[in-house]
Amino acid sequence: NAGVMQNPRHLVRRRGQEARLRCSPMKGHSHVYWYRQLPEEGLKFMVYLQKENIIDESGMPKERFSAEFPKEGPSILRIQQVVRGDSAAYFCASSLPTGQETQYFGPGTRLLVL
Amino acid sequence: AQSVSQHNHHVILSEAASLELGCNYSYGGTVNLFWYVQYPGQHLQLLLKYFSGDPLVKGIKGFEAEFIKSKFSFNLRKPSVQWSDTAEYFCASHSGNTPLVFGKGTRLSVIA
Repeated sequence: NAGVMQNPRHLVRRRGQEARLRCSPMKGHSHVYWYRQLPEEGLKFMVYLQKENIIDESGMPKERFSAEFPKEGPSILRIQQVVRGDSAAYFCASSLPTGQETQYFGPGTRLLVL
Repeated sequence: AQSVSQHNHHVILSEAASLELGCNYSYGGTVNLFWYVQYPGQHLQLLLKYFSGDPLVKGIKGFEAEFIKSKFSFNLRKPSVQWSDTAEYFCASHSGNTPLVFGKGTRLSVIA
């Protein structure tokens, strides 16, 4: 049973470009969470999605960031017009749909904005 | 709002020393608690979790943690660390099906 998959593992963008990060949850998991890890800090929650629904986006910056989890395919975290401050590791986690479930993490995408 | 505090930013131990990493959470209701480990360049792996029941939780790789409700604490312990335990350790909590709230992490360096 494959774990949570994320790609790309490393992404380099110039300021102003778009970054697309993909996350495929574990088989049978329909809940996806995105977290951001800045250097020397813990993970900060960004957004929580179920298939075709955003459940909680309280951690998402108001501008340039968006997320989706379509009926088919991976969850996508999209960052438009990237800036240097967006450089971070972005982790996706997934869990089963019932309450109080453990979240399992993917390997992360390390975004570097030049 | 929930929050998680980890007291130590960086801990340096010799091999075979005992380890205790502090974690305090702030939430008065039912809470689930986790310790994750992140080895250099790798993703987070679950070490152990507490949902209910026995407050002393055994995890993988010889780690354990004790939930003390009166102290709002969930400290991680290991009686004898190895060089391979060098990693960053994160305490996290959540309530129900909510996002995890993480502490800032404790970096553990084990030296020979």
